[in-house]
Amino acid sequence: GDSVTQMEGPVTLSEEAFLTINCTYTATGYPSLFWYVQYPGEGLQLLLKATKADDKGSNKGFEATYRKETTSFHLEKGSVQVSDSAVYFCALAGGTSYGKLTFGQGTILTVHP
Amino acid sequence: NAGVTQTPKFQVLKTGQSMTLQCAQDMNHEYMSWYRQDPGMGLRLIHYSVGAGITDQGEVPNGYNVSRSTTEDFPLRLLSAAPSQTSVYFCASSLGMDRVEAFFGQGTRLTVV
Repeated sequence: GDSVTQMEGPVTLSEEAFLTINCTYTATGYPSLFWYVQYPGEGLQLLLKATKADDKGSNKGFEATYRKETTSFHLEKGSVQVSDSAVYFCALAGGTSYGKLTFGQGTILTVHP
Repeated sequence: NAGVTQTPKFQVLKTGQSMTLQCAQDMNHEYMSWYRQDPGMGLRLIHYSVGAGITDQGEVPNGYNVSRSTTEDFPLRLLSAAPSQTSVYFCASSLGMDRVEAFFGQGTRLTVV
């Protein structure tokens, strides 16, 4: 079946540091890939997505590129802010299991001033 | 727009009690789903629905029932609560599930004692 693996957390950074959160996936076919963010006390919201190989999703300074050759979708941001502190989830849809999102375990990011 | 509304936000149950978590969306989405979120495990799919009158099991369906009598509502029933069902529950909806954004409710934090 489909699976998503995220780097172990939590991640703690100082403001303006560079962020990378690794995500790799296993799926058949051509899944869509997503990054969702969960701020404290809230539900998940879509951060960015990519629907085919070599697509780059971007939003709020975050970027991720769909790499089929390495089955990866790493999240990056050049300069993080305190307000980016949240839990980040990598997810895929449209692989083996139609009609569901498969999530990674989530990475807790804390940014200090 | 209200988006996806879940009630209640918090609930404490005694072992063996039953209850229904409510979920409603006002976006006319065909796809709705229930996930549970546990530390270090990401979100796992409980049940999902591809339209009114159609439901199917997800990854962890045992102990839960669902029905979909209208496009808007997708309640999740706990038949006989167990401590292992202590979790945060999220309802989600989308136009489709493979290429488009899923919208999440704010979650229900359930504790079973």
